[in-house]
Amino acid sequence: AQSVTQPDIHITVSEGASLELRCNYSYGATPYLFWYVQSPGQGLQLLLKYFSGDTLVQGIKGFEAEFKRSQSSFNLRKPSVHWSDAAEYFCAVGALDSNYQLIWGAGTKLIIKP
Amino acid sequence: KAGVTQTPRYLIKTRGQQVTLSCSPISGHRSVSWYQQTPGQGLQFLFEYFSETQRNKGNFPGRFSGRQFSNSRSEMNVSTLELGDSALYLCASSWGLAGGPGEQFFGPGTRLTVL
Repeated sequence: AQSVTQPDIHITVSEGASLELRCNYSYGATPYLFWYVQSPGQGLQLLLKYFSGDTLVQGIKGFEAEFKRSQSSFNLRKPSVHWSDAAEYFCAVGALDSNYQLIWGAGTKLIIKP
Repeated sequence: KAGVTQTPRYLIKTRGQQVTLSCSPISGHRSVSWYQQTPGQGLQFLFEYFSETQRNKGNFPGRFSGRQFSNSRSEMNVSTLELGDSALYLCASSWGLAGGPGEQFFGPGTRLTVL
């Protein structure tokens, strides 16, 4: 069955430290991959997406993600986090044969220590 | 270009009542998806409409229904509300064209509280 796993429910990092949020997927087809961010009380905003080509994808707010087919992963990274990055982050996967439906991870809540 | 709008932003209802939520997608987008978000449950897919037709449906009871109008605006309805229906309901729009799922653009959500 298709699934997306975000193994970390919460992650706490110090302001200025680097960040990596994990996303693993189980999908039979070539996936389309997305990372979204949700600030408290807000809707979701797209950070970045991977459809094809270069496996290192740059997004907004200084985020990047790397698609590793051999590991079925699409981890999100940022070299130096800011207090404003505190939010919940969602990974989503879709494919040509997914009937237009995205499969969502459960989310990782990022907490920033001052 | 205007983003996805949802009305109302907040709603308080009592058990047994029904509620209708509205979503206006980005101009030109023909696909509208609805999600329920609760703490600990993440995003749960309700249904997706494309050109006035329900194209996908999640695993929710029949009390949850939706529709889409010719201008792509969508409504979802929940009848006979239960306490467990308290949640943030998110609407997302996309082009919905062939070739697989494109990025979805989300509205701010409607916070429904059932008392």
